[in-house]
Amino acid sequence: GAGVSQSPRYKVTKRGQDVALRCDPISGHVSLYWYRQALGQGPEFLTYFNYEAQQDKSGLPNDRFSAERPEGSISTLTIQRTEQRDSAMYRCASSPERGGFSAEQFFGPGTRLTVL
Amino acid sequence: GDSVTQMEGPVTLSEEAFLTINCTYTATGYPSLFWYVQYPGEGLQLLLKATKADDKGSNKGFEATYRKETTSFHLEKGSVQVSDSAVYFCALIWASNTGKLIFGQGTTLQVKP
Repeated sequence: GAGVSQSPRYKVTKRGQDVALRCDPISGHVSLYWYRQALGQGPEFLTYFNYEAQQDKSGLPNDRFSAERPEGSISTLTIQRTEQRDSAMYRCASSPERGGFSAEQFFGPGTRLTVL
Repeated sequence: GDSVTQMEGPVTLSEEAFLTINCTYTATGYPSLFWYVQYPGEGLQLLLKATKADDKGSNKGFEATYRKETTSFHLEKGSVQVSDSAVYFCALIWASNTGKLIFGQGTTLQVKP
């Protein structure tokens, strides 16, 4: 079956431009997560959705970052006025359970963002 | 705050060697613990997990035991293969209302034939 997909896989943009990263979770998965991964580091949590409700955005670094999941399926992470420090791999994950202490998260391949 | 620390990599082993990748954590309460693996060119995937003290997670010949007394979750495999070459991430979940993962920095394993 289809896994989590993300698009684009690679994005190169100039400083100051806005970018939108898309995540298409596994069909029927309740929970959706966004993580950011710097080179040589583990992923860091950005935000969490339970269906369409954004229940935790504590990891978003500043107000240039926002995310939505309007119909409880596809999600978009938007970065406004990009800066070079935003360059990283952005990973999306989905899970069939709501939050959960032990639920497996299924990760997409990631979007590699480079800000020049 | 909650955190995970892994041994530095890269780790280079010959095929059929014994593998240990150390992982220790800091958390209030008793988190669930995970090992995720990232093969070249692929996304992260769950390798194994343990949700309470003394639990042993196992999969594909890999094992890890949740040790509350040493706050550790070391990954082991008795005989590695070239196909095990990947980046391994130790992680925990404590905030059970969201299930957000807190990852270590990752350990690269390279297995040579």
